Formats: sequence, structure tokens, C-alpha cells
Amino acid sequence: GENVEQHPSTLSVQEGDSAVIKCTYSDSASNYFPWYKQELGKRPQLIIDIRSNVGEKKDQRIAVTLNKTAKHFSLHITETQPEDSAVYFCAARGYSSASKIIFGSGTRLSIRP
Amino acid sequence: EAGVTQFPSHSVIEKGQTVTLRCDPISGHDNLYWYRRVMGKEIKFLLHFVKESKQDESGMPNNRFLAERTGGTYSTLKVQPAELEDSGVYFCASSQGAFFQETQYFGPGTRLLVL
Repeated sequence: GENVEQHPSTLSVQEGDSAVIKCTYSDSASNYFPWYKQELGKRPQLIIDIRSNVGEKKDQRIAVTLNKTAKHFSLHITETQPEDSAVYFCAARGYSSASKIIFGSGTRLSIRP
Repeated sequence: EAGVTQFPSHSVIEKGQTVTLRCDPISGHDNLYWYRRVMGKEIKFLLHFVKESKQDESGMPNNRFLAERTGGTYSTLKVQPAELEDSGVYFCASSQGAFFQETQYFGPGTRLLVL
């Protein structure tokens, strides 16, 4: 079946450094890739997304890249800050409205002061 | 505007008991989704309502799980009888449309522990 693999499961970086989270997906029909951030005790929230016709998208300190050929996509956070500490989930979805969102298993990102 | 709300926030029950989780979507959102996250694993799709109709229930684990959305507003997810492996966080999400790029807004989740 369809699945999304996410790595690493935990990541600790020094404040100010960059963090990278990587995902791979199995369904070649996937063409929408959202990223959700879940802070401790809060709900998952969409932070950025990318469609398959785009290779990269940036929003301030966060960026996502997509390699459709390799079925890889990544989240990059630059100049990390304490408030970036959270669990991050990647996800993939196909074009059809009946297509489900398939989530990765999450990455717990910790920012060391 | 209020976000997606879920009740209760936590539930601790014994194996064999029944639990009913409730989700109130964002007003006007026809699409309502249930997900579950077992500790350390992915957020897994359970089912999708469009208004009061079940669009896709392929993720429901077994017939101990029953979801309803009478009237197309709030939804309930009943687990009867609960088993140990049902423990996890149950999320509800809603979206206005079901187009692939529609943002799904998540609720805070219900943390279920079956002892």
C-alpha cells in the first residue's frame, strides 16, 4: 500500500543551525506534499506545502524541496530558534479528492540553546 | 472563528468498555476526517465524511469502531468494546472542500488509554 517514510525520528540541533527532515513516498500518483508542525500539547498545524509541479518553495526560514523522480521531499529550517522545537510530520496526497493524506511517522526536533 | 474542537481531551478506560469521542469541525466545513496516532508512529487515516455521508472508511481498523455524523455537523467515533491496541491519540480534522490541496485543520486530539 501507499506509505511515507520519514527520517530522522529525532533531531537535535544547536540554536541558529539548520535542520533537515527527509521523506520518501511510494505512490507515484502523489502530487501534494504538506508539512505539519505539532508543538507540545497543541494540535498539528500546516506550516508549508508543495505541489508536484514545483521543485522548491520557501517561506521565511522554512523551505521544502521535492524530487519527483526520486520520490523524495525535504523540509529545511534555517537559523533555528527555540520555538521551532516540535514534532514535524510530512505527508503526501494524490490528485483525486478521494485520495487520502498519508503521513510520515514524525520527527521530534529539539533546539539546544 | 473557533477551530476544530474535540471532546474529551483524555480518556482512560478498561479493556472491554465503550468510549465515544466527539469532534466539532469548523463551521461550514463539509469535510470531516478522523485519524489516529499510535505512540511513535504515523498519523493514520481512519475515515472521511462529506457532510453526513461516509466518503471513505477504508482506514477503520475493524467493526469495533463506529463513526457517525448525523446532520452533517459534529461527528462521533465510538469504540466498543475497546482493546489495548486502541490506545493512541485520535485526531479529527476538517476542510471546506476535498480538493487535494485543501488545508485540513486539525483538532487538539483525544488521548485514549485502554488498560
